[in-house]
Amino acid sequence: AQKITQTQPGMFVQEKEAVTLDCTYDTSDQSYGLFWYKQPSSGEMIFLIYQGSYDEQNATEGRYSLNFQKARKSANLVISASQLGDSAMYFCAMREGRDAGGTSYGKLTFGQGTILTVHP
Amino acid sequence: DGGITQSPKYLFRKEGQNVTLSCEQNLNHDAMYWYRQDPGQGLRLIYYSQIVNDFQKGDIAEGYSVSREKKESFPLTVTSAQKNPTAFYLCASSIGLQGRNEQYFGPGTRLTVT
Repeated sequence: AQKITQTQPGMFVQEKEAVTLDCTYDTSDQSYGLFWYKQPSSGEMIFLIYQGSYDEQNATEGRYSLNFQKARKSANLVISASQLGDSAMYFCAMREGRDAGGTSYGKLTFGQGTILTVHP
Repeated sequence: DGGITQSPKYLFRKEGQNVTLSCEQNLNHDAMYWYRQDPGQGLRLIYYSQIVNDFQKGDIAEGYSVSREKKESFPLTVTSAQKNPTAFYLCASSIGLQGRNEQYFGPGTRLTVT
């Protein structure tokens, strides 16, 4: 079963508008972390935002915010005031607390990604 | 400037040859990782290392090998046993394995095997 699901292969948004990229996750851990990364066409992975499972408030980083709904196991990324430079692939990722052997090793499990295109 | 360097950016090899991808970091991070990305897909973990002289297999380790002789360096060898080695390879590092532990990525190496 997929641990991270991004159901939107592609999204389009008009410049200066807000856009929400969906991410749902599956874990039985109580302690976990959720990350969003941006991958421009150059290929580098850029860290955007982090939400810990025990964080009571939704994370925000500049124009990025994370709509964290723990009971629904969703961690949607909201980009406000879209810019042309926001056009890229966006990945949601999860770090679970422990692996099957009981060791915490920081592994990230990535979703399939969403391609965002910002139109002028 | 601190960061992660991967070289070369593009690499071409003939089938049956082993090839080593370089990854160096000057962030003083303990943990390092290798991921593989296929077109239109997410990243899959190949190997990771928590500390010098120690490394563990990830989800798709078959046909790959690594070493971690220095804290700064985590080279990946793609062996001839890897059935489909053409892919984009990304190296990452993080402070450690606890807490927020966001991973910082290098620019990647595109490997093409013909």
